[in-house]
Amino acid sequence: EVQLVESGGALVQPGGSLRLSCAASGFTFSTYWMHWVRQVPGKGLVWVSRLNSDGSGSSYADAVKGRFSISRDNAKNTLYLQMNSLRAEDTAVYFCARAFTRNALDIWGRGTTVTVSS
Amino acid sequence: QSVPTQPPSASGTPGQRVTISCSGGSSNIGRNTVNWYQQLPGTAPKLLIYTNDQRPSGVPDRFSGSKSGTSASLAISGLQSEDEADYYCAAWDDSLNGVVFGGGTRLTVL
Repeated sequence: EVQLVESGGALVQPGGSLRLSCAASGFTFSTYWMHWVRQVPGKGLVWVSRLNSDGSGSSYADAVKGRFSISRDNAKNTLYLQMNSLRAEDTAVYFCARAFTRNALDIWGRGTTVTVSS
Repeated sequence: QSVPTQPPSASGTPGQRVTISCSGGSSNIGRNTVNWYQQLPGTAPKLLIYTNDQRPSGVPDRFSGSKSGTSASLAISGLQSEDEADYYCAAWDDSLNGVVFGGGTRLTVL
């Protein structure tokens, strides 16, 4: 079964750090671009970051640029999102998603919740 | 970049045809293809339409997409109660070098 499972979400204080993971299974992970998308409960989807298949190219939303870093380990079929200098406005459910074209996200995980609060 | 704009809500009765619009800019919809996502309450988004008008396997042909210039539309015909969900358009944005999502449209089946 093709599947993405996020983990690592937690309650963290402002200014803190967190690393999210996204474990892929059921497909050849190393051949797909991957994305992170977040959603504040009750609000819309917001794109966060993307990484190409071999990890050589990435981009970020302006709101997280310089604070978040996306990476992947193709040997472990895992995508990561390192989040530093967290702010209250980073509070959201974070989804990882597979892109079968550059930006058509056809497989999504169930999400992991990040709460930034003192 | 001009973030795609969608109406916040739409509604229809069972069997009706409903359209949802998505208006973007030259750096996103104007230059790139549009995808649509359906998000049922409490679930992850699901790809509904890709490359403007293509349906992934398993998506009923009641759902169709189109694009013209810097705008796109999602049409749902033969509306069913299970279509009640949030719908998002999205496109690659050349200025951002990333994806921009529309604000989403909540569809209510009356």
